[in-house]
Amino acid sequence: DAGITQSPRYKITETGRQVTLMCHQTWSHSYMFWYRQDLGHGLRLIYYSAAADITDKGEVPDGYVVSRSKTENFPLTLESATRSQTSVYFCASSDPPTGYSNQPQHFGDGTRLSIL
Amino acid sequence: TQLLEQSPQFLSIQEGENLTVYCNSSSVFSSLQWYRQEPGEGPVLLVTVVTGGEVKKLKRLTFQFGDARKDSSLHITAAQPGDTGLYLCAGLTGGYQKVTFGTGTKLQVIP
Repeated sequence: DAGITQSPRYKITETGRQVTLMCHQTWSHSYMFWYRQDLGHGLRLIYYSAAADITDKGEVPDGYVVSRSKTENFPLTLESATRSQTSVYFCASSDPPTGYSNQPQHFGDGTRLSIL
Repeated sequence: TQLLEQSPQFLSIQEGENLTVYCNSSSVFSSLQWYRQEPGEGPVLLVTVVTGGEVKKLKRLTFQFGDARKDSSLHITAAQPGDTGLYLCAGLTGGYQKVTFGTGTKLQVIP
């Protein structure tokens, strides 16, 4: 079945460690996104990518690194994790906009990350 | 930074009651989407409204986009326990896929 898969679903790590969250989609969507979800803030965009090898910052990019060497994968790396990065992280994908018509985003089920 | 404020933040109602959730911004959006998110899952798109004043119905859910395209509302008639979840509005700028999400409304419908 086509879909978007995030791994791991749960992760506990310590401050200062590097951690990578994986995202894989089978729809061949050109756009991919990373969000974090925190109580009272809704979903905030961290980074997005319009195509392979094209990435751009979102609202809260500090402390995060992304890459997109293949269309289907969009890993998110926390280079030196901090407690403030404890959150639920969602990956999403979509087709490109057609003119001024936006396309729906399809979300994974999230990774719950705790940093001690 | 574009902001979307949703109200109320939390809502607990009895089955069969009606409710309205509001999504407000000082910014103009080319379109606005509503998503529903259930615990442990990602948001799922319910509807997209693109024209100022547009009203869309999805069974017992009615979505309206404000005339000035700065606000939107979601009205649920005769709420059911299956409507329980987190409702998120999301504003979009035409030609771009970057989305600004609202702060969310957590709805609980008690049987």
